[in-house]
This record gives sequence, C-alpha cells and structure tokens, in this order.
Amino acid sequence: KAGVTQTPRYLIKTRGQQVTLSCSPISGHRSVSWYQQTPGQGLQFLFEYFSETQRNKGNFPGRFSGRQFSNSRSEMNVSTLELGDSALYLCASSIRQGLAKNIQYFGAGTRLSVL
Amino acid sequence: AQSVAQPEDQVNVAEGNPLTVKCTYSVSGNPYLFWYVQYPNRGLQFLLKYITGDNLVKGSYGFEAEFNKSQTSFHLKKPSALVSDSALYFCAVRDLFYNQGGKLIFGQGTELSVKP
Repeated sequence: KAGVTQTPRYLIKTRGQQVTLSCSPISGHRSVSWYQQTPGQGLQFLFEYFSETQRNKGNFPGRFSGRQFSNSRSEMNVSTLELGDSALYLCASSIRQGLAKNIQYFGAGTRLSVL
Repeated sequence: AQSVAQPEDQVNVAEGNPLTVKCTYSVSGNPYLFWYVQYPNRGLQFLLKYITGDNLVKGSYGFEAEFNKSQTSFHLKKPSALVSDSALYFCAVRDLFYNQGGKLIFGQGTELSVKP
C-alpha cells in the first residue's frame, strides 16, 4: 500500500506570494492532518480534515487554509507569505476505526523556503 | 491543557548499549501516547503507541516503551542500540479535547546519537 504522498518536496517562494501544498493520504484513510515543523517552535498542528470538512484547527492566522476533496486528498494554502512561514510542512493521514485507529502516518513533507 | 515534555535535547549512546529516551506527559484523563522517529529530510515514522492495556508496549525496530501512570512518563527504550538508530525522536499525545480527532501534541524532540 502506498504511503502518504506530499508534493512538491521543495518550494522556494518570495514574501507576499501564496503557495499551495498537496497531500494524498494512504488509500482508505479519510482523515488528513497538517503540521508545521520549525527549529524554534517544533511540530505544531495546523488543521485536520475529515470527510471534506475541517474538524480541528490550530493557532495559526487565517493566511493558512486548507481543503479536502471527495477522494480524501488535501491541499493547504498559505497566502501573503512571510519569512517566518519557512518550515517543513507535514501531512498525516489516519483512519478512525480498526487496529490502526489513532495512528497518524506521515508523508515526507514539503520544505518551504520564503525569501 | 495537555502537554508532553522531552527533558533531554540529546542522548549519546555507544553501539550495543541500552538506550532510553525520556518523555513525560500532562493530560486530564487517560492518555493516548505515541513515539515517532524522524530521519534527516524525512517525515515522521510511527514506532509505537499506548492506548490501554499492558504498560510495556513493543513497537517497530526493537523499540519498546514503558507507560508509568504514577510518574506520568512514557520512556522509549531499546536493549541494544544500533548506529542506524541515530535520529530525532518525538513523543506525542493525542489531544483528547477533540473527540476522535487527529491532533497530536508533540514534545520538542530528542536527538539520539549512537556511536560505533
């Protein structure tokens, strides 16, 4: 079974631009969570989507948004990029029943650099 | 508020020696605890979880963790370390505020270095 796929792996943007990151979950997983990883703040939860609806949201400004499609694929968007948005963005998928319930499986991440 | 702490930024171990990576938690109610490992330029890999049941949990790659409710700890252990175990290790707790939610709260990570 293929793992969580995130594209692109690397992105370089300039301040003020916007960016869209993509995440394809493990087949059959309907829950997708996004995290931001930085050296200073560590791993921080951005939001979670399940059945095309945002279920949970972390403490990030409204510039950070996301969506989920009917095939469970998810995208996150960051508008008006700031230097501090430079980070590794990780996507994780999970299922809500069965033996693997509660386990989040992570993709390799998208490394965003804002110049 | 729920939280996880990893008191050591770095742990150094000689190959073949046992290793321990420490984690303490603070939650209201029964915790859902996890360990993940991250290799350079990679995402997080799931190692093991504690939801309920036996306090000693066995996971991938020979790792295990001991849940201690009285000490609110969930330390990761391995009897014999390998150089290939060198990586960044994260302890995490599921945020119970969100029922069945997919929000994990992570510790700050511990860099494990295993020398030959």
